[in-house]
Amino acid sequence: DTAVSQTPKYLVTQMGNDKSIKCEQNLGHDTMYWYKQDSKKFLKIMFSYNNKELIINETVPNRFSPKSPDKAHLNLHINSLELGDSAVYFCASSQADSRPNSPLHFGNGTRLTVT
Amino acid sequence: AQSVAQPEDQVNVAEGNPLTVKCTYSVSGNPYLFWYVQYPNRGLQFLLKYITGDNLVKGSYGFEAEFNKSQTSFHLKKPSALVSDSALYFCAVRAFNTDKLIFGTGTRLQVFP
Repeated sequence: DTAVSQTPKYLVTQMGNDKSIKCEQNLGHDTMYWYKQDSKKFLKIMFSYNNKELIINETVPNRFSPKSPDKAHLNLHINSLELGDSAVYFCASSQADSRPNSPLHFGNGTRLTVT
Repeated sequence: AQSVAQPEDQVNVAEGNPLTVKCTYSVSGNPYLFWYVQYPNRGLQFLLKYITGDNLVKGSYGFEAEFNKSQTSFHLKKPSALVSDSALYFCAVRAFNTDKLIFGTGTRLQVFP
């Protein structure tokens, strides 16, 4: 009955590879997010989708491409992985439209290690 | 530009003592303020928020926070700390009319038995 689920939990890969992280929420929320948490625990928003439309796109390399097939899913595809992409990536969701200050619900994160 | 600062990397407190985790913010207009907690290997969990109204906000697990407009602060407090409160705490701010939630750098709370 996990509200926001991410797969995989751990991802170890080599530089130059392409990988995807999947996220699904069963809360009926209209907005989903990707955050990156670096080794110092600093948390920064990458993307936000509302009803499948991109609404926030921070200064992120275009090697990162989010895809939202429907309101319940927001996947993150990363091309040509670099060492600096190693981090924990968190998916989150909220009901932004009807409750603008509703809290974010986070997944448990995907720890990406690029070697 | 909106920002939030958590001046302490770590706060140590003995179990049973009161705790305070500090947060200051900078936004244009009225702020919407949040506290989240992160346990090891887990995502962030919402604790409480201030939108409007009473300056003292009560949240989950006995935590509360006080909004102080003149000092642009939103410190997290708990009257009596538990060892199980040990975790990483994040303050966050959203300015009026934006969708973006900006997080502070986090404060690690360590409660000793």
